[in-house]
Parts: sequence; C-alpha cells; structure tokens
Amino acid sequence: AQSVAQPEDQVNVAEGNPLTVKCTYSVSGNPYLFWYVQYPNRGLQFLLKYITGDNLVKGSYGFEAEFNKSQTSFHLKKPSALVSDSALYFCAVRDRSGANNLFFGTGTRLTVIP
Amino acid sequence: DTAVSQTPKYLVTQMGNDKSIKCEQNLGHDTMYWYKQDSKKFLKIMFSYNNKELIINETVPNRFSPKSPDKAHLNLHINSLELGDSAVYFCASRRTSGRVVYEQYFGPGTRLTVT
Repeated sequence: AQSVAQPEDQVNVAEGNPLTVKCTYSVSGNPYLFWYVQYPNRGLQFLLKYITGDNLVKGSYGFEAEFNKSQTSFHLKKPSALVSDSALYFCAVRDRSGANNLFFGTGTRLTVIP
Repeated sequence: DTAVSQTPKYLVTQMGNDKSIKCEQNLGHDTMYWYKQDSKKFLKIMFSYNNKELIINETVPNRFSPKSPDKAHLNLHINSLELGDSAVYFCASRRTSGRVVYEQYFGPGTRLTVT
C-alpha cells in the first residue's frame, strides 16, 4: 500500500526567506510524486511532479522539490517566499497499479508573514 | 477558458434528499475523477472513469453513483443524503497516453452542506 505523510500541519515563514514544506512517502517500487497547491475556496493546482531522472524538479511559481530515495522524501522548496505563496500544499503519490490513483497527504498550511 | 468546471458551486439540501453534481472538462482528457475533501481538508479519491468505464471505486457508500454520459462529463449522483456527506467535492481529469505520467487537473469544487 502507498501512503504520504506531511509531518507539519502549519509552516510559517517570513517573506523573502527560503521555505520548505516536508513530505515523506511509502510505496513499493519507484514512486511517482506530485505537489499541488490549494488557495482558499479554490481547486487544487498542479505545481510539479517527479517521475524519473533528476532528483531536483522545478515547477510553477518558482517552486522546486528534491526527491531523496534513501530518505523517501520529496520536500517542496522555494528560495524566497512571497506573501502570495500562503496557501494549503498537498503532496501526493500515484498508485502504480492499473488504478492510477492519487493518494494525498493531509496538507500543510503555509503562511508567509510580511 | 475553463478547463474543468463543476456545477453547482454551492449546494445546501436536507437529509434524505437526492442531488447531483455535474462536472465537465474541455481538455480532451480521457480519465476523470471525483474526490471528497472533508472539514479537515483531507482529500480522498472516490471514483475514476476511463473511457466511460469505472476503473476504481473506493470504499464509498453505494448511495454515491458516478455517471458519465460521454468522455467530457462525469456527474456525481447522491441518494438519501446524510449529514456526514457534507464536504467539498472536487472533480479532476487527466490525460492518459502510453507510459507518460500526466498530472490531474482539478475543478473549483462543490461545497455540499446537508442540514
């Protein structure tokens, strides 16, 4: 069975500082990993994905994520946080069986303080 | 142009009623999904349809039934609504093509409140 853990419910960071939102996963075989962002009263927006290849994946809005197989982690990062980055962030792993399901973490609320 | 749309955006109804939520995507995707997001923001897959065939059906009560009239639409029908059905329901779609792994695109959500 596959699962995703986001150990922090809330992350606060000052504007201009680097941010990290943590994600660890459990899946048999090589994982397909995703990050999505949800702004208030909106649907989820895709940020980036790791399928194979380079461990550092670059995505939308200046976000990037680093895949670390030995630590089974896929942390989301940004060098300089903006107030507009404040939102709910979800990490997800895709089921590699025929169902191709997405299993989401519980979400991390990021607040960027001006 | 709206990629994945849902109607209605808000739905308030009483226990025991039957209601439907509609979803349409204009992306030409061939797989569509329904997710439920509870009050704690936890997202859980409910159904997915690929080329009009149900390919996953999680532990969802049979009061919930997805209906797909064509590849661009996946509607969610709910019978005998219960208080615990109150949640935000998201539709999503994805392109499937060989071995390429595509991301899912989500609709804006439908907030269902059962009183």
